[in-house]
Amino acid sequence: DTAVSQTPKYLVTQMGNDKSIKCEQNLGHDTMYWYKQDSKKFLKIMFSYNNKELIINETVPNRFSPKSPDKAHLNLHINSLELGDSAVYFCASSQDWAGGTGELFFGEGSRLTVL
Amino acid sequence: GNSVTQMEGPVTLSEEAFLTINCTYTATGYPSLFWYVQYPGEGLQLLLKATKADDKGSNKGFEATYRKETTSFHLEKGSVQVSDSAVYFCDDNTDKLIFGTGTRLQVFP
Repeated sequence: DTAVSQTPKYLVTQMGNDKSIKCEQNLGHDTMYWYKQDSKKFLKIMFSYNNKELIINETVPNRFSPKSPDKAHLNLHINSLELGDSAVYFCASSQDWAGGTGELFFGEGSRLTVL
Repeated sequence: GNSVTQMEGPVTLSEEAFLTINCTYTATGYPSLFWYVQYPGEGLQLLLKATKADDKGSNKGFEATYRKETTSFHLEKGSVQVSDSAVYFCDDNTDKLIFGTGTRLQVFP
């Protein structure tokens, strides 16, 4: 069983559309994250949830809205897609937050291409 | 912001060459230190970690020693393979906000 799974793996869509990416972890972790990786491989956090509560919300346009229905799921909804949203989005989870000894577990990524 | 600094890539090596990718940290206290690897088309995965000073993490022939005196956690491998070509990220686990660009390693036959 995949520990952190996200769908879809590839997403090609037109500017202005709304799309969602789903993420699920079966590790029993308390904390989940969404990261964005650009074409230069720069990886930066967008959101983090701990036990369904938002704990990090970086400077991300409010077109991006995360939703955590339970602590095993963290979905990402994007409204009014723009060309600059094209990137690979990674979901991750960890048992604890900063300062812990636990590692991050990443999904395989969802490559979003906005035309 | 990012509290680790790692060398910029790309690092280009021939197969069987010795690899060092430098990483230094600035966090106070005694953070756990990690190296993650991202193979093409995949997400990051943990390569190795060390949780206290003088610990050595090792996996797949890679090693890194947690050195408090130099605040470093350099990644080394004695003989790289083409299959090691990937992007490597150093992390101190105190700040999950930014992983940066990592260091791209390209190994040629």
